[in-house]
Order: sequence, then structure tokens, then C-alpha cells
Amino acid sequence: TQLLEQSPQFLSIQEGENLTVYCNSSSVFSSLQWYRQEPGEGPVLLVTVVTGGEVKKLKRLTFQFGDARKDSSLHITAAQPGDTGLYLCAGAGSGGGADGLTFGKGTHLIIQP
Amino acid sequence: ETGVTQTPRHLVMGMTNKKSLKCEQHLGHNAMYWYKQSAKKPLELMFVYSLEERVENNSVPSRFSPECPNSSHLFLHLHTLQPEDSALYLCASSQSMADRGGGYTFGSGTRLTVV
Repeated sequence: TQLLEQSPQFLSIQEGENLTVYCNSSSVFSSLQWYRQEPGEGPVLLVTVVTGGEVKKLKRLTFQFGDARKDSSLHITAAQPGDTGLYLCAGAGSGGGADGLTFGKGTHLIIQP
Repeated sequence: ETGVTQTPRHLVMGMTNKKSLKCEQHLGHNAMYWYKQSAKKPLELMFVYSLEERVENNSVPSRFSPECPNSSHLFLHLHTLQPEDSALYLCASSQSMADRGGGYTFGSGTRLTVV
């Protein structure tokens, strides 16, 4: 069974600060995705990383896939209140997709004005 | 309307009731999924449909019964549920089951409370 551990579970910081959240596993994934979920809504895809060592940037968000494709990190620079939400990482196995995506429990992020 | 639409948004049902959750996607995607989201747990995959055929039943109790009449619609029929089945039920779609690089598009979910 593939598991994804996210840390920290909860994070509350002031507007303007930087932060990093982590997604770790002992399993190798063919790709890894990050989603943000706001209260009362479904998760929304932010990014997909596929190649080991890959770095992708989305405005103030920087995503990195570990060299061994077992872990990933999300770094937010100068956090804003609009960044508040539940951040989920999800990994795709190497099979045909019948196993769907494996999700972590998420990091609850609160950015205080 | 675009994206993935789920109805109802909220549902309260007794343990002896029968109800159905509906999901509709207008993205031309070939794969659709039901996930259960409970507090302090990762999203749990319940069912996978590819080209209207069920390809995965993740040891889900028979009180949950999925139906996919066509590639745009997905239902989850509920009967004799237990209070521990209370959760947010999310529907998602993707271009195809095998290609997950494009990610899933989720609906807003149905918040189910079993009393």
C-alpha cells in the first residue's frame, strides 16, 4: 500500500512570511500532484511534477519533486491571506490508473493578515 | 455549465433511507471517480469508471452502489447507511484513467450526514 505523509499537519503564519510544506513516501510515484482545497469546495489542481528533481513555479509557489520521485515540497514566498486552504499532495502509481491517485492527509494552512 | 457538478451539496438522511448522489461533467473526460473525504483521513478512493465501465471497487460496502449510465454522468446510490458514513463525497473526472498527468477535476462535493 502506497502512503503519502504530509507535514506539518497545521500551519498558521503571518502575511508576508515564507513557508515550506512537505510530502514524503517510501514508495516511488510516476508523477505527483498538488491540490488546494477551500472550505466547502473540492480540491483544485495546482501542479503536476513528473521528472525526478523537477522544479515548477506558479507565481509565489515553488514545487519540487525529489530526485528519487518519493517526495515533494511546496514553498510559498511572501504568503498572502488568499493562500489559506488545505494543501493536498497526490501520487500516481505506475499502473494503468485503476488505483486512482493516492492522497496525503493534507496541510491546513492559515495566513493571518 | 463547465467543470464537474455535484448535487445535492448537502444531504441529511436516516439510516433506513435511500438516496442518490449525482455527478455530471461537461469536460469530455473518459474516467470518473468517487472519493470519500473524512476528517483526519486521506481521500479514500471508492469507485473508478473508465469509458462507463467500472474498473475498481475498493472494498466498499454494498450499501454504496455506483452507476454510470453514460460518460457524462455518475451516480452513487445509498441505502441503509451508518453514522460513520457521514463525510464529504467527492466526484472527480480525468481525461483518461491511465493518463493522470493532467490531474483530476473535482466537484464541490456532497456533505452527507447520516442520523
